[in-house]
Order: sequence, then C-alpha cells, then structure tokens
Amino acid sequence: DAKTTQPNSMESNEEEPVHLPCNHSTISGTDYIHWYRQLPSQGPEYVIHGLTSNVNNRMASLAIAEDRKSSTLILHRATLRDAAVYYCILTVYNNNDMRFGAGTRLTVKP
Amino acid sequence: DSGVTQTPKHLITATGQRVTLRCSPRSGDLSVYWYQQSLDQGLQFLIQYYNGEERAKGNILERFSAQQFPDLHSELNLSSLELGDSALYFCASSAGQYNEQFFGPGTRLTVL
Repeated sequence: DAKTTQPNSMESNEEEPVHLPCNHSTISGTDYIHWYRQLPSQGPEYVIHGLTSNVNNRMASLAIAEDRKSSTLILHRATLRDAAVYYCILTVYNNNDMRFGAGTRLTVKP
Repeated sequence: DSGVTQTPKHLITATGQRVTLRCSPRSGDLSVYWYQQSLDQGLQFLIQYYNGEERAKGNILERFSAQQFPDLHSELNLSSLELGDSALYFCASSAGQYNEQFFGPGTRLTVL
C-alpha cells in the first residue's frame, strides 16, 4: 500500500491561511488523494479529494504536485472550528479501503 | 449531523463477553464501513459491506464479525472481549463502493 507522511502537528492563527502538507512518494497512477478531518469527540469528516488536478470546494482547496508525490490541503481562512486532526489518505481506484495514518493535529490560535 | 446513526453510544462490559454494535447508514447509502480507533493504534479500517455483501477486509480480528442486513443496517459483533478491545468504533456509509464516506458519532466500548 502506498503510504503518506504528514507532520505530527501544526499551528495557525485565526483568519490566516493554512497549508497542510502530505508526502506520498510511492503513489501510483490510479491512487486518489483524500483528506478527512476529525474534530474533537467526533467521527472523521470528508474534506476533499483529487487525482491529478487541483480541486476546490466550499471547505478547502487541494493542490497536487505535478509528479503527484506530494499534495497540500489549503484552508483559506482558518477558524477556531478548524482545529482538528487532518488525515491524508490514498485509495486505489476501484477500492474505497481507506488506511488512516496518524494525521496532522492543527491548532488554531485566536 | 452526518445522517449515520450508531447505537449504543457507550458500552461497558467485562472481559470474555460478547457485544453487538449497530449502525444505520444514511438514507440511500449502500456501503457500510467499520473502523476501530484506539489511543495506541489510531483509526483502523476493519471491514466494508456493499449492498449486503462483504467488499473489503482490513485489520479485523477473527473474534470480530459483521454483517449488513437487507434493510442496509449493519451490526458489528465482538466476542471473547479483551481489555485491548476498548476503543471507539465508528461506522461510515457511502452511496456506492468508492464514494465519500460519512461517519457516525461512534460507539465507545470499555472492557473491564
């Protein structure tokens, strides 16, 4: 299984952009990149996913490197509600079997 | 609220016992997934069902079993419980086999 590497923790100030990196150097051509987050005392929540092109939705943007060996989740204006553990996960095409790593714990300071 | 419901919210039991956790997926979702989250192991995928059939298996112990019923709800059965089985158990559902997953609030299992 292709693995992902994320920093253990990051800090951000409220209302500033946050860039959460993820390395996936062994990604294969059919692997999708997913991001989920887990707020305190809740189940994980879908954030965004992509294959090759950059993606935007109401929650965040996903920037994927040209060689696909890394990606960055961008929160455009962090709020206190965005404090959570963010998981970067690869899934093989035709398989929704998600293997969560340790994720990045994001702290947002007022 | 994701639309996925799990019961019970909390469960306290003793070693050696058997428990059943229940999950109702979002309306219309055909896939159900089970995950275990413990402090030392993180979030681990256990098993996936799609429209009543097992689709993928992860780190599920032989003491654990699951099934998805015709009305699409799912149950996770945990038997011969050990202290190390204490964890949060999450259920998730998705529309198809490969879609975005919606997670329930979890069942916290404590084995004493």
